Formats: sequence, structure tokens, C-alpha cells
Amino acid sequence: DAGVTQSPTHLIKTRGQQVTLRCSPKSGHDTVSWYQQALGQGPQFIFQYYEEEERQRGNFPDRFSGHQFPNYSSELNVNALLLGDSALYLCASSILGRADTEAFFGQGTRLTVV
Amino acid sequence: AQSVSQHNHHVILSEAASLELGCNYSYGGTVNLFWYVQYPGQHLQLLLKYFSGDPLVKGIKGFEAEFIKSKFSFNLRKPSVQWSDTAEYFCAVNGGNNAGNMLTFGGGTRLMVKP
Repeated sequence: DAGVTQSPTHLIKTRGQQVTLRCSPKSGHDTVSWYQQALGQGPQFIFQYYEEEERQRGNFPDRFSGHQFPNYSSELNVNALLLGDSALYLCASSILGRADTEAFFGQGTRLTVV
Repeated sequence: AQSVSQHNHHVILSEAASLELGCNYSYGGTVNLFWYVQYPGQHLQLLLKYFSGDPLVKGIKGFEAEFIKSKFSFNLRKPSVQWSDTAEYFCAVNGGNNAGNMLTFGGGTRLMVKP
């Protein structure tokens, strides 16, 4: 049973560039959430997608956008990259409406902005 | 707004010592509580979770946690740690009757167990 998979695993970008990160959820899951984990900190919620719509959003600027596809996979896009966007980006999948299941996390994409 | 506070940022223990990691949360409503662990180079994994019922929950690898509603706490415990428990531990909370809702994480506790 495949867990949550993310690509790429590492990425180096230059300030001002744009980046797209990808996530495939665990089999049977319909909801994808994205988190940013800066060095030495806990993950911070960016947004969540369900039925191809953004369902919840954390305190992140509009430079951060996303998309969910009919097969439940998701992309995170970040425009106009800043040095402060350097972090580990985590994808988590879950099942909406199930009160007894938890989120499963991928290994993350390490983004370095130079 | 919900928040989670983990009091210990770094903990160093010798093997066989007992462990207790503190976690306090702020949330006005029904909560689901989680402890996740992140081993070096690996993804976040769920140690244990509390949704309802018995406030003392047991997880994998001998870990347990107690939900004390009056103290807004969900401390993680293990009676005897092993070198392989070296990792970073995160307490997290979400609300409502949907455990898939957005999670609010604490800042993490980095545990080092000396052999």
C-alpha cells in the first residue's frame, strides 16, 4: 500500500523564481494538506484541498497556491521565491469526514532558495 | 486561534531512563490530539492519537500519553527509552469531528538518547 509520495525530494531555486512541488496521496485518501517546516520549527499549515477546491488556508500569502487533480494528487506552487521560503514542504493526506483517521505525511521536499 | 506549546526543545537522556515530554494546547472546542515522531531522514509518523474516550492512550513502541482536559495538556511518556528513540517529537491538535482537519503543531522536542 503506497503511502504519501512527494517529488522532487530536493530543489534549489533562485530568488524570484517560481517552483512547483507535487504530492500523491495515500491510496483511498481524498484530501491533501500542505505544510511548511522551517529549520528547527514545527510544521505550519499552508492549505488543504478537497474535491479540487481549497478548503482551508493558513496564514500564507497569495504567492502560495495549489491545485488538486481528479485523481486526488496535488501541486503546491510558490511564486516570486524569497530566501525565507527555504524549508521542508510536507504533504499530508487524509479522508475528509472520517473522525477516526489521521493524516499521513510524505517525506517532504527540501526547498533551498539562494 | 489554536496553538500548541512544547516546553522542552532539547532533551538528552541515557538509555533506560524515563521520558516525559510536555504539551499544552489552546483551543476552544472539541479537540483531537496527536503525537508525531520524525526520525532522522524520515517522514513524520504517528505515535499515538486521542479522539475521545479513555484519556490514557497507548501508541506504538511503548509510548503513551494522557489527555488532561482541565490542564489542556497531552504529555507523552515512555518508561524506558532506547537509543533508537532518538528523534524529534511533535505534539499536534486539530478540532471538531474531523481528524483530517488542519493540524496545529508545537515547535517540537529534539530527543537524544545516549547509549
